[in-house]
Amino acid sequence: EAGVVQSPRYKIIEKKQPVAFWCNPISGHNTLYWYLQNLGQGPELLIRYENEEAVDDSQLPKDRFSAERLKGVDSTLKIQPAELGDSAVYLCASSLTGKSGDTQYFGPGTRLTVL
Amino acid sequence: GNSVTQMEGPVTLSEEAFLTINCTYTATGYPSLFWYVQYPGEGLQLLLKATKADDKGSNKGFEATYRKETTSFHLEKGSVQVSDSAVYFCALTMNTGFQKLVFGTGTRLLVSP
Repeated sequence: EAGVVQSPRYKIIEKKQPVAFWCNPISGHNTLYWYLQNLGQGPELLIRYENEEAVDDSQLPKDRFSAERLKGVDSTLKIQPAELGDSAVYLCASSLTGKSGDTQYFGPGTRLTVL
Repeated sequence: GNSVTQMEGPVTLSEEAFLTINCTYTATGYPSLFWYVQYPGEGLQLLLKATKADDKGSNKGFEATYRKETTSFHLEKGSVQVSDSAVYFCALTMNTGFQKLVFGTGTRLLVSP
């Protein structure tokens, strides 16, 4: 069974440029998560989707970050414009139902460097 | 708010040594507790979990016991291998509603031959 797929694995951009990350969850998983992982820190939730609906986006900086999950399958996270402080690893995860006893499966992440 | 505190790394051990990585939590209520492992270049993988007090999670020789009285979930392994070198994250989620993982800062383990 294929795991969570993310692309690109690495991205280097100049500040003020836009950037987008793509995630394809495990087939059949209704819940999709985007996390931000700063260097030396644990992941922090940015947004959670139940199918195509964003049900928890309280930690997403909405002035520059946006996300979508069209058709309830793969998802895109966008930053526009990027700032130096956005340099981090962006992780995608999915789970079958999102309920508290469920297991989240993580992708390898996209490492973003903003110059 | 809910939080997880892990011991600072790196933890450096020789092969076959005993491993303990400390994890304590703060939560309103009784959470489920998890250990995730991140090998170089890979995503986080669930290592083990415990959903209520006194439960013991175990996997691949690793164990952790949910201690409500000390609000702890320390990770242990009796004999580490070089292949165990990775970053280990302790995490919690509350048992009401949907899962929202709160992670610690991670502890890097380096095992030398």
